[in-house]
Amino acid sequence: DAKTTQPPSMDCAEGRAANLPCNHSTISGNEYVYWYRQIHSQGPQYIIHGLKNNETNEMASLIITEDRKSSTLILPHATLRDTAVYYCIVRPRATGSARQLTFGSGTQLTVLP
Amino acid sequence: EPEVTQTPSHQVTQMGQEVILRCVPISNHLYFYWYRQILGQKVEFLVSFYNNEISEKSEIFDDQFSVERPDGSNFTLKIRSTKLEDSAMYFCASRDQGDGGYTFGSGTRLTVV
Repeated sequence: DAKTTQPPSMDCAEGRAANLPCNHSTISGNEYVYWYRQIHSQGPQYIIHGLKNNETNEMASLIITEDRKSSTLILPHATLRDTAVYYCIVRPRATGSARQLTFGSGTQLTVLP
Repeated sequence: EPEVTQTPSHQVTQMGQEVILRCVPISNHLYFYWYRQILGQKVEFLVSFYNNEISEKSEIFDDQFSVERPDGSNFTLKIRSTKLEDSAMYFCASRDQGDGGYTFGSGTRLTVV
């Protein structure tokens, strides 16, 4: 699986957009970008994933660059409850296989009041 | 929203004892996983399970570990003879057959004394 690079920590003011970057320069054509978060030792929580198009759901937006070598997770209006470690994970298509996720160190996002 | 349920939430056991950690995955999911997280460290993959057999396992998943899906709803992780270094949060996860997100449980905190 392609390696990802994330900043170890970021701060964001409450109510503002949080933009979390991820580099995945060795990503291959069949690899998806997934974002998860972990709030204080709870189980990781799925946020969003994408292949090459930008994606949006009720939690966040995912912007993937045209060359797919980097992506940005956007939380449009961060709240204190969004304080968590955010993981960017690249994984090949797994339809029909039990392929696992490999977690890195992630980005500790702290939302400040 | 469907959940992955793990029991117990916290288990304390003496070194050398056997423990069984239990998980109820989401009912229509096909792939099942165990991960662990030692305090302050990364989330680590242990094992994946599909079609009633192990699909992949990590180096951590040695002969002391086993998994079972005894009745079509529960998914268990057994550690035969616990060591102090087995102390960790253990997370169960499941997913359906597509490329969507994995759903994680809230974890079992295992403390070996």
